[in-house]
Amino acid sequence: SQKIEQNSEALNIQEGKTATLTCNYTNYSPAYLQWYRQDPGRGPVFLLLIRENEKEKRKERLKVTFDTTLKQSLFHITASQPADSATYLCALDNSGYSTLTFGKGTMLLVSP
Amino acid sequence: NAGVTQTPKFRVLKTGQSMTLLCAQDMNHEYMYWYRQDPGMGLRLIHYSVGEGTTAKGEVPDGYNVSRLKKQNFLLGLESAAPSQTSVYFCASSYTWDRGYGYTFGSGTRLTVV
Repeated sequence: SQKIEQNSEALNIQEGKTATLTCNYTNYSPAYLQWYRQDPGRGPVFLLLIRENEKEKRKERLKVTFDTTLKQSLFHITASQPADSATYLCALDNSGYSTLTFGKGTMLLVSP
Repeated sequence: NAGVTQTPKFRVLKTGQSMTLLCAQDMNHEYMYWYRQDPGMGLRLIHYSVGEGTTAKGEVPDGYNVSRLKKQNFLLGLESAAPSQTSVYFCASSYTWDRGYGYTFGSGTRLTVV
């Protein structure tokens, strides 16, 4: 069956360090992989999209890698700040169905 | 620029009551979606629409109906609410995939069925 796995345990890091979150998937052949941020009581907010033929994508302090052989994406936040504390969701497209399936998310806590 | 607006924000229903959740977007997006989010389950797709007048079932469609009579609106109906439908409901919209954009989500409707 199709599965998207993100670390269920919260990731605690110190301000200024690089946070790395992992998204693994099985039984998907996604054309796109996306990352979202969700704050408590709010809807998810789109951060980055990476296509299957792209290895890496950057946006300001964010970097996403996509390895279709390993079936894994890594999401990096460099020079992390307490304001980066949130839950981060990865999502994969269901090829041909115009929809996304979301992972359960990983909570990131950045301490001053 | 409102984005995606969901109404209501909170609602308490008794078992067996019906209600409609409204989602409106002002971005001229083709696609619209309804998800529910439960603790430990993540976001699960209920129904979606790829254009005005079209709807399709998602992962957990039972107990829900939808309509998209106008491009900017996507309605989610619960005909006979059950406690298992207690959840946070999110509406989202997007361009077609080839534009390379993600979803824009609303702020959610917190529904409790007692």
